[in-house]
Amino acid sequence: DADVTQTPRNRITKTGKRIMLECSQTKGHDRMYWYRQDPGLGLQLIYYSFDVKDINKGEISDGYSVSRQAQAKFSLSLESAIPNQTALYFCATSGGGLQETQYFGPGTRLLVL
Amino acid sequence: GQNIDQPTEMTATEGAIVQINCTYQTSGFNGLFWYQQHAGEAPTFLSYNVLDGLEEKGRFSSFLSRSKGYSYLLLKELQMKDSASYLCAVRDPAGSYQLTFGKGTKLSVIP
Repeated sequence: DADVTQTPRNRITKTGKRIMLECSQTKGHDRMYWYRQDPGLGLQLIYYSFDVKDINKGEISDGYSVSRQAQAKFSLSLESAIPNQTALYFCATSGGGLQETQYFGPGTRLLVL
Repeated sequence: GQNIDQPTEMTATEGAIVQINCTYQTSGFNGLFWYQQHAGEAPTFLSYNVLDGLEEKGRFSSFLSRSKGYSYLLLKELQMKDSASYLCAVRDPAGSYQLTFGKGTKLSVIP
């Protein structure tokens, strides 16, 4: 079983709709992250969380919100989707050590019409 | 802030050696990571450097020079399955564990 899972894997929605992307992990990590990836732009950090009570904005948080429901669950919401939010979204987790890498989920491909 | 530069694309021949460079300008430094990402898939961890020098892992090696703000990933005995994007990422020194990613280098391995 995958350590980091994301649902849905693909989603098509319309401008103005609210949608939620979900992430779950079984690695026991405290740190969780949401990124978006656009062709030619690399991975950009949207939000990150160090534990259930700690939420922090990344470099591109406008238009997004998050919820850390439990240590293992971190959700990303688009309150009113717009076409330029069409992208590939990744959730990631990491432990607390200096050499700890981030482990990525399989991604959610979102299309906003 | 962090600025990270990598070549956009590279092509190399099966069985050859290729070096992918990464330069960074940052206000601080707390480690550099390399990831591999096949098209449409998640990035996967390849290597980590925090001290100057070469780290070797099988066919993959990564080098770091902190004074020059420079790293490279060396891939030996290239295989077709090495065709992927390679992402360089620098960790925030403030302890937030944030990674800032370069835009990635798309490597195509040809027969």
